Amino acid sequence: DADVTQTPRNRITKTGKRIMLECSQTKGHDRMYWYRQDPGLGLRLIYYSFDVKDINKGEISDGYSVSRQAQAKFSLSLESAIPNQTALYFCATSSPTGPNTEAFFGQGTRLTVV
Amino acid sequence: AQKVTQAQTEISVVEKEDVTLDCVYETRDTTYYLFWYKQPPSGELVFLIRRNSFDEQNEISGRYSWNFQKSTSSFNFTITASQVVDSAVYFCALSEAGGNTPLVFGKGTRLSVIA
Repeated sequence: DADVTQTPRNRITKTGKRIMLECSQTKGHDRMYWYRQDPGLGLRLIYYSFDVKDINKGEISDGYSVSRQAQAKFSLSLESAIPNQTALYFCATSSPTGPNTEAFFGQGTRLTVV
Repeated sequence: AQKVTQAQTEISVVEKEDVTLDCVYETRDTTYYLFWYKQPPSGELVFLIRRNSFDEQNEISGRYSWNFQKSTSSFNFTITASQVVDSAVYFCALSEAGGNTPLVFGKGTRLSVIA
């Protein structure tokens, strides 16, 4: 099983609908992130959380909200989806301690807003 | 503000050629980490390497090698004797404050290796 699991993997939704993307991890990491990938733009940070009570906006947080339900769960919501939120979304985790500080990514959620 | 620039948007090489992917970063921090990730056509992000700002040793892993030069703020990635399986998008990323800030990514370089 994957260490970082995103659901759903693919989603098509209509403009104006509310949608939630979920992320769960089994790595025991405190830090979790949501990134968005658009062709030619790389990955851009939407929100991040360094522990259960910590939520921080990233570079492109407008139109999104997040919830950190537990150490292992971090969900991203689009309150009213619009077509320019069509993108590939990645959840990631990391740990500040130990020899490995790299981020571990989920498989991605491909979201299409029509 | 931290920034990562990958000036090469797309590179195409013939199999067995060597190829270097460039990465230039900007930071005012003295303690930071640099990373490379690979995104194959299947879409997942695969971690390749992490380098901290105090370690300028070059690293080699099989056909992959990395050249970290603080003097030019660069962390370049070379693939020797490229193979079709190396075709992917490669991302360079930076984390400041000793790795305690979220990764900031470059826009990526799409590498196509032609048989």
